[in-house]
Amino acid sequence: DAKTTQPPSMDCAEGRAANLPCNHSTISGNEYVYWYRQIHSQGPQYIIHGLKNNETNEMASLIITEDRKSSTLILPHATLRDTAVYYCIVRFDTGANSKLTFGKGITLSVRP
Amino acid sequence: EAGVTQFPSHSVIEKGQTVTLRCDPISGHDNLYWYRRVMGKEIKFLLHFVKESKQDESGMPNNRFLAERTGGTYSTLKVQPAELEDSGVYFCASSRTLAGGPTDTQYFGPGTRLTVL
Repeated sequence: DAKTTQPPSMDCAEGRAANLPCNHSTISGNEYVYWYRQIHSQGPQYIIHGLKNNETNEMASLIITEDRKSSTLILPHATLRDTAVYYCIVRFDTGANSKLTFGKGITLSVRP
Repeated sequence: EAGVTQFPSHSVIEKGQTVTLRCDPISGHDNLYWYRRVMGKEIKFLLHFVKESKQDESGMPNNRFLAERTGGTYSTLKVQPAELEDSGVYFCASSRTLAGGPTDTQYFGPGTRLTVL
């Protein structure tokens, strides 16, 4: 079972920031928070990950609360091509426990 | 750098037939994973190779599924005999092993859509 909970859907206007929330209240100290997205039926695409600190890359920013029980993925300027299902996943990094457990994700719809 | 590739992109077979899916990981990635998504369900983990060894095969549904990774490079997933409920999209992912043992980010291939009639 997924160890994260996400709202089923949200939408935002093109050009605006999209803030996607995720709860992971049972996360353990050595579990990372990963975000992937799936556009149509393509393979899941890696977006960003973090452990404790906030992270930023060319795609998005990841804000993790101090208690690590929740996080927010921020797409700073959403485009129509960002319409997808976004998955928040917590996972260990050790070999024996490195599998990804996908939940239902959150469907982001970007409107013109 | 080439990404994870999978072959074929689509396969349509009849119940009882055999199908073999192939995955070529990113060059240098020791870790190779198989996942699948059946209609209306979430993406589920099947198994994990480290080089040629099976690290975790807890997600394999039954003994009709056989995964191999001879030589630690590409992997095959054979379904024999295929059943209707095996229809879905099969994804492969790969990752590096970092110094000290942790595994790095998994990168996914485009998937193979399997339809069993």
